[in-house]
Amino acid sequence: SYELTQAPSVSVSPGQTASVTCSGDKLEDRYVWWYQLKPGQSPVVVIYEDKKRPSGIPERLSGSNSGNTATLTISGTQAVDEADYYCQAWDSSTVIFGGGTKLTVL
Amino acid sequence: QVQLQESGPGLVKPSETLSLTCTVSGGSINSFYWSWFRQPPGKRLEWIGHVYYSGNTKSNPSLKSRVTISVDTSKNQFSLKLSSVTAADTAIYYCARHSSGERTTFDHWGQGTLVTVSS
Repeated sequence: SYELTQAPSVSVSPGQTASVTCSGDKLEDRYVWWYQLKPGQSPVVVIYEDKKRPSGIPERLSGSNSGNTATLTISGTQAVDEADYYCQAWDSSTVIFGGGTKLTVL
Repeated sequence: QVQLQESGPGLVKPSETLSLTCTVSGGSINSFYWSWFRQPPGKRLEWIGHVYYSGNTKSNPSLKSRVTISVDTSKNQFSLKLSSVTAADTAIYYCARHSSGERTTFDHWGQGTLVTVSS
């Protein structure tokens, strides 16, 4: 079965750029979604189909997907961006998730 | 604004059936797909399965034999039943909406409900 791999944690200083990566075999051949999870809150889609941003999501969040790696980039990171981020793709009509990355804004 | 709310027992005994309901407000359940997810403590999100408003379902092969998902359009609700639970089924369970059966965005989610399997 297809697998997505994420680093468990990423730290960033306020105002700096954070990169959250998701790797999988020939991942560029699949669309990738990114979801933000905060404790006690509903998950939120922040990027869909590799690089599209839903309405209401700040422009400082962007996505890319090339080769074996998809990347969620957060520019000018703010404290409100501290959360767990999960990449997601589809495999044979089944939803698969990466292990999640905890983004800490120090 | 569409809102989803999970409800059901927070504690289930081993070998029994876990039952949850997701109530949709602010919009119709018709014309959409509705999924269940879960996240065990310290583990990744897992898709459990979905139901179309017409009643058609699809489940994760890893859970398929134990999962029943149904929809009640008159109540704007859909439900999950997971049979023969064990401690490994302890998780936060989420419901979510999507507009097609695959390669789609889960655009609205519930806040999640913690279900603990313990005697």
